[in-house]
Parts: sequence; structure tokens; C-alpha cells
Amino acid sequence: AQSVTQLGSHVSVSEGALVLLRCNYSSSVPPYLFWYVQYPNQGLQLLLKYTSAATLVKGINGFEAEFKKSETSFHLTKPSAHMSDAAEYFCAVTLMFSGGYNKLIFGAGTRLAVHP
Amino acid sequence: EAGVTQFPSHSVIEKGQTVTLRCDPISGHDNLYWYRRVMGKEIKFLLHFVKESKQDESGMPNNRFLAERTGGTYSTLKVQPAELEDSGVYFCASSPRQREASTDTQYFGPGTRLTVL
Repeated sequence: AQSVTQLGSHVSVSEGALVLLRCNYSSSVPPYLFWYVQYPNQGLQLLLKYTSAATLVKGINGFEAEFKKSETSFHLTKPSAHMSDAAEYFCAVTLMFSGGYNKLIFGAGTRLAVHP
Repeated sequence: EAGVTQFPSHSVIEKGQTVTLRCDPISGHDNLYWYRRVMGKEIKFLLHFVKESKQDESGMPNNRFLAERTGGTYSTLKVQPAELEDSGVYFCASSPRQREASTDTQYFGPGTRLTVL
């Protein structure tokens, strides 16, 4: 069975500091992994996704994530936090179906606070 | 291009009442998904439509929940009768139908926050 664990329900950083949001997955097959972000009063927006091409994936807004099979991790990073990065972040793995669709399995989410 | 829209944004009802949530996917997207997030927990899959057909409803909690997608456009999710544990945020997502579904990006709406008192 596939599952996702996000370490830390709340993370607080200073503006300009490194952002590191942790995600570990469990999967019996090679996974496809996603990071979504939810800003206040908005829907979930895709930040980036890993689909077995490059292990270092670059996303929007300066975020990137590295797939590490040996550590079963897909941590999200950004070198310098901005106030506008304050949001809730979700890591997800997908179940693949031959019927032409997928099903996302989400972690519990990490709320990022950025303070001046 | 308009994104996924959901109505209402908030709903507060009493236990035993009926509520209907609506989702309008991105035009042309054959795949439509419903997810739910109960307070403090993970976002969980409820069901999936391909056009008007239910493909997978393995995540539906019980028979008090009924989802429809008449004509393959918008979808409704009805809860009847609502219980306290149904409170949460209900998300809708859509995606175009592709051959390699596993890399398919799902586009999410803002969600409907349902509170059952």
C-alpha cells in the first residue's frame, strides 16, 4: 500500500531563510510524487511533480524537491523564504490505474509560517 | 481559462439535514475527482468520474453520500442525512484524460467547507 508522511505539521522560518518541508513515502512500486500548495481561500495548486525523469525537480516560485529512493524521501526546499510563501503544503503519491486516471494519496499537510 | 469552481464556499447545516455541493470542472476535462479533508487529517479520495460515469467510488464513506455528473459536465455531491462526522472541506479536482494517467496533473477547486452542527 502507498502512503505519505509529512514530518512537522507546522514549520516557522524567518524571511530569507531556507525552507525545508519533509516528506517520506511508502510505495511497493516506483512512485510518482507531487507537492501541492494551498494559499488562504484558494484551491490546491501544483508546485512540482516527480515522474521518474530527473531526481531533482524544479517547480514554481523557486521551490524544488529531490527524489531519494534510498531514503524514500521527497523533501521540498526553497533557498530563501518570502512572506508570500506562507501557506499549507501537501505531499502526495499517486496510485496508478490502467483505466486512465490516478488517485492521489496525501500527507497530512505542513503549514508554513514566514516571519519578518 | 476558468479554473475549477465549487459552490457554496461554506455551508452550515444541522444534523439530519441535506446538503448538495456543486463542482464545475475546467471545460473539456473528462476526469473529475472528489476529495475530503476532515479537520486536521489528510485529504482523502472519495470518488472519480470519467465523463458521466463513476469509475471509482471506493472512498465514499457510506450510502448517505451520492455523487452525480449528469451530461459529463458539472458534478454534485449530496449528503443526506448529514451527520456530525461529515464536517470537513470537500475538494473537487479535474484533469484532462491522458494515456499516461499516472503523471496526470489534477487541478483543484477552492473547496467547500461543510459544518454539521
